[in-house]
Amino acid sequence: GQNIDQPTEMTATEGAIVQINCTYQTSGFNGLFWYQQHAGEAPTFLSYNVLDGLEEKGRFSSFLSRSKGYSYLLLKELQMKDSASYLCAVPDNYGQNFVFGPGTRLSVLP
Amino acid sequence: EAQVTQNPRYLITVTGKKLTVTCSQNMNHEYMSWYRQDPGLGLRQIYYSMNVEVTDKGDVPEGYKVSRKEKRNFPLILESPSPNQTSLYFCASSTGRTSEQYFGPGTRLTVT
Repeated sequence: GQNIDQPTEMTATEGAIVQINCTYQTSGFNGLFWYQQHAGEAPTFLSYNVLDGLEEKGRFSSFLSRSKGYSYLLLKELQMKDSASYLCAVPDNYGQNFVFGPGTRLSVLP
Repeated sequence: EAQVTQNPRYLITVTGKKLTVTCSQNMNHEYMSWYRQDPGLGLRQIYYSMNVEVTDKGDVPEGYKVSRKEKRNFPLILESPSPNQTSLYFCASSTGRTSEQYFGPGTRLTVT
């Protein structure tokens, strides 16, 4: 099975850079997803990493280290609209189900 | 417009009264899931379906049923709801379990 851990809350300032970490333990590995969820809304896809390294997509980047069971989401030039929860998730290798971490609630302050 | 729809969006009901939450997607996706989201617990998968007539349990299936008679629809059935099923429910679809999931807008259920 899976065990996924993320910090519960983070605070950062508008214009700054923030790194949200995710550690996971899986019996197999089929990639790692990051989703963004604004309060009261549905999650939306941000990134998918299956190979080690950094993938950049505009202001957002995601990093994966499979040997360390570790990923992070890097948000640059923070904006107020980035205040949201960020969810790390992995598909189960042996089943077909999908496991989400507890999520990190990010507050961006002016 | 590609989307996942859920109905109803809000529902208040009483213990033991059977209910169904509908989910429909127009993207011809094979994989569909139901999740519940509770404070401090995050999103937990209830049931998923790999294709028509193929469903399986997620992490928290007790008290729920699903069916997948058509590719586009994946209803969630609570035969005898209880207060511990009060939660925010999301339906999602994707082309596969290693693909981006598209989520519906959510259904907020309260069982009294």
